[in-house]
Amino acid sequence: NAGVTQTPKFQVLKTGQSMTLQCAQDMNHNSMYWYRQDPGMGLRLIYYSASEGTTDKGEVPNGYNVSRLNKREFSLRLESAAPSQTSVYFCASSVRVRSFNEKLFFGSGTQLSVL
Amino acid sequence: SQQGEEDPQALSIQEGENATMNCSYKTSINNLQWYRQNSGRGLVHLILIRSNEREKHSGRLRVTLDTSKKSSSLLITASRAADTASYFCATVAIGSGNTGKLIFGQGTTLQVKP
Repeated sequence: NAGVTQTPKFQVLKTGQSMTLQCAQDMNHNSMYWYRQDPGMGLRLIYYSASEGTTDKGEVPNGYNVSRLNKREFSLRLESAAPSQTSVYFCASSVRVRSFNEKLFFGSGTQLSVL
Repeated sequence: SQQGEEDPQALSIQEGENATMNCSYKTSINNLQWYRQNSGRGLVHLILIRSNEREKHSGRLRVTLDTSKKSSSLLITASRAADTASYFCATVAIGSGNTGKLIFGQGTTLQVKP
């Protein structure tokens, strides 16, 4: 049982380049998330998907797009990377109980540097 | 701005002592959760407390929730060096416009000295 799998683990981009972070979960969870973590800022929600086919902006969505390809996969795309997007990115998934999310399971993170 | 704010930002104690960290939040919630993050790793769920609960225990962890003050506390008893980590609270808000997503606070960094 792999849980939440993120790829890649590390990535270096030049300003203006694009890339997609991949995330897949095998726990049949409805909800999936993308967070970014910066020193002293905790985790900030970028995008959230309550179910296949739905996405919702979080606290810091600017500069990102997402795609909920199916129930298992939720990808995060940076169309034109900027140095301000240097961060550690975490994907997570959870079970929803009567519309409210319970325990989150996290991937191991992607460390992204934009030069 | 973020929903939850932890206090203190950093805490250093000796092994065997108790560690208490607090979380305050701004809006009405369905549940509040605590997570631990070891350096360089993803977050791990510790405990969930619902809005109609006041206290919950799990092993050496004790969580309290005061919805009138919009605050929660996490107590780790008889701390060990292995408890050294960052601890985050996360809330699920209720009300119009909320889709049940979790919002995290900034975290408390705990150091337990052997």
